[in-house]
Amino acid sequence: EDKVVQSPLSLVVHEGDTVTLNCSYEVTNFRSLLWYKQEKKAPTFLFMLTSSGIEKKSGRLSSILDKKELFSILNITATQTGDSAVYLCAVEAHSGAGSYQLTFGKGTKLSVIP
Amino acid sequence: ETGVTQTPRHLVMGMTNKKSLKCEQHLGHNAMYWYKQSAKKPLELMFVYSLEERVENNSVPSRFSPECPNSSHLFLHLHTLQPEDSALYLCASSLFHRLAGEEGELFFGEGSRLTVL
Repeated sequence: EDKVVQSPLSLVVHEGDTVTLNCSYEVTNFRSLLWYKQEKKAPTFLFMLTSSGIEKKSGRLSSILDKKELFSILNITATQTGDSAVYLCAVEAHSGAGSYQLTFGKGTKLSVIP
Repeated sequence: ETGVTQTPRHLVMGMTNKKSLKCEQHLGHNAMYWYKQSAKKPLELMFVYSLEERVENNSVPSRFSPECPNSSHLFLHLHTLQPEDSALYLCASSLFHRLAGEEGELFFGEGSRLTVL
């Protein structure tokens, strides 16, 4: 059974801190890893990673994938209160017969306090 | 605003009621999904429709019945639910069922918060 584990489950930091969120996975027929930010209800897409060692960057957020060690990290530098959210990691894998399955982790709840 | 609209946003129903959740997208996407999000659990995929055809049904109880009349609309019909079915039900869409490159990411709706009494 495919498994995605995120750590920590929750994190409280002060504005300006840098945080690193972790996502490890065990899946068969890995295709891609995705990060989402869920503030209130609707998760919004952050990054899709398919290749090892290539950093994806968007403003203060960056992410990298290690397909050998089966994990990804999401970094947020100079955190702001608006970064407070649940960060979801999901792994896409082939599930046979041309179909694909997306398995989500439980998420990391980040709280940034002023 | 992600382009995926869900109604109602909140729903309270008894175990003997029949209700429906509605999802609408005008993004020109070909695949639509229902996910269940319970407290302290990962998002669970329930159903996937690709070009109006159901392609995934992840062992969901028959008291949940999806319907996809066209590529822009997706329904989840609910009947004789249990209290443990209380959760946030998220609809999502993507350009293709297969998450192909940057265009394949999921766009989620705001969700329908369901409470079963």
